[in-house]
Amino acid sequence: QVHLQESGPGLVKPSQTLSLTCSVSGGSISSVDYYWSWIRQSPEKGLEWIGYIYYTGSTRYSPSLKSRVSISVDTSKKQFSLILSSVTYADTAVYYCARMYHLDSRGYVDYWGQGTLVTVSS
Amino acid sequence: QSVLTQPPAVSAAPGQKVTISCSGSSSNIGNNYVSWYQQLPGTAPKLLIYDNDKRPSGIPDRFSGSKSGTSATLGITGLQTGDEAEYYCGTWDNSLSAGVFGGGTKLTVL
Repeated sequence: QVHLQESGPGLVKPSQTLSLTCSVSGGSISSVDYYWSWIRQSPEKGLEWIGYIYYTGSTRYSPSLKSRVSISVDTSKKQFSLILSSVTYADTAVYYCARMYHLDSRGYVDYWGQGTLVTVSS
Repeated sequence: QSVLTQPPAVSAAPGQKVTISCSGSSSNIGNNYVSWYQQLPGTAPKLLIYDNDKRPSGIPDRFSGSKSGTSATLGITGLQTGDEAEYYCGTWDNSLSAGVFGGGTKLTVL
C-alpha cells in the first residue's frame, strides 16, 4: 500500500514561489510506468493536473502552467517536489501529490496524498 | 472550464441506479482509457474505475464503467447514502500532452 504525504508552507505571498514536497512510503519510487504527479483542486477550476515526473527525472507539465512549474525527484529520499513560481490568488488550491500509471493510452491515478491547502495572500 | 464535460449534479433514491456521463473528444476519451474517481467530503479523490471498466481491489461491483466513442459512463446500482460524493472522470489528452479531468458530478442519494 503506497502512502503519500505532502509538506510545505500553507501560505504564500503573491508573486512569490510555492514549494511543496511529497514523501513516498510503502512502495518503490522507481516503479516502472508509474509517474509521480501533482494535482490541485479549487472551487473555480476543479481538479487540475499540474504535471508529473518519472524516477529517471523525465517530466511533463500542463501547458497552462509549464512556464512556472518545475517538478524534481530525489529517489534516495523517496521524495518528489513541486515548485510553482510567480503565484497569484488563482493558485490558491488544495495541492495533492499522487501516483499515476501511464503507458501508451492507459493512464490513471491510483494513490493520492491527503492534500494540503495552499493559500496565496499578502 | 474543464476539458471533459460532466453534469453538475445527479440524484436518485436509495436502492436505485444512477449513471454519470463524461464527454470528451478524439484527442482524449476517443483515443485513451478513462478512469473514474470518488471524492467524499473533506477527503482526497479515490480511484473507482480504471481502463474504462476495471475496478481496483475493494471496489464493489455496484460500480461499473463503460466507454463509447468520445464519451464514458459511470454506473452505480443499489445506491446507498454512503455513495453521496463528488465523482470525476479523467483521462489523457494527446493534444495537450497532459492529464485532464471532468468538472465533477455531485451525487445526492435522496
